[in-house]
Amino acid sequence: QKEVEQDPGPLSVPEGAIVSLNCTYSNSAFQYFMWYRQYSRKGPELLMYTYSSGNKEDGRFTAQVDKSSKYISLFIRDSQPSDSATYLCAMSDPSGGYQKVTFGTGTKLQVIP
Amino acid sequence: DAGVIQSPRHEVTEMGQEVTLRCKPISGHDYLFWYRQTMMRGLELLIYFNNNVPIDDSGMPEDRFSAKMPNASFSTLKIQPSEPRDSAVYFCASSSRLDVVGTDTQYFGPGTRLTVL
Repeated sequence: QKEVEQDPGPLSVPEGAIVSLNCTYSNSAFQYFMWYRQYSRKGPELLMYTYSSGNKEDGRFTAQVDKSSKYISLFIRDSQPSDSATYLCAMSDPSGGYQKVTFGTGTKLQVIP
Repeated sequence: DAGVIQSPRHEVTEMGQEVTLRCKPISGHDYLFWYRQTMMRGLELLIYFNNNVPIDDSGMPEDRFSAKMPNASFSTLKIQPSEPRDSAVYFCASSSRLDVVGTDTQYFGPGTRLTVL
């Protein structure tokens, strides 16, 4: 079993829809949680960063972490065609004294105009 | 800042040839990572460095792969000899524990798309 599980999609939604992207994980030591967005033929870029449990909002994007369930989500409100990309969740355990981030395999999202 | 720079952007080579991928991290970052991305396996960490020293190379697939970081502004990933199954996109990323966004935030380069025929 992988440490981080993410549905690969593809997920296709109409413009303006609310999108929910999710990841589950098995390592309870993960403390930092991130979402990266990767456009086709580009490198991943950081979209959201959260520490421990709770919600974080940035414009149309909301990241949610539920450590008790080992479940994280990314919500996109009023989705736009420009949101079409692959979204990768990522998380890390800081107790090891070094940076090693574990990535999900990514969910491909297509927003149809 | 120009961000993480990788070269070449595309590489097509024949099986058995040596391939060298290059990376220039963001100035001031003390961590550098090499990843490989394929459709089947997603993003895989190959090796990472801290202050130019290799810390964890457990993701390097086999002895054909080697990585070096001779100084804080340059790293190479070498494959010798290359095989068709090495075809993938190779990303370099860098980070700093003092990053204002948050620790462990990694910044990726545009990647090198490698095709081994």
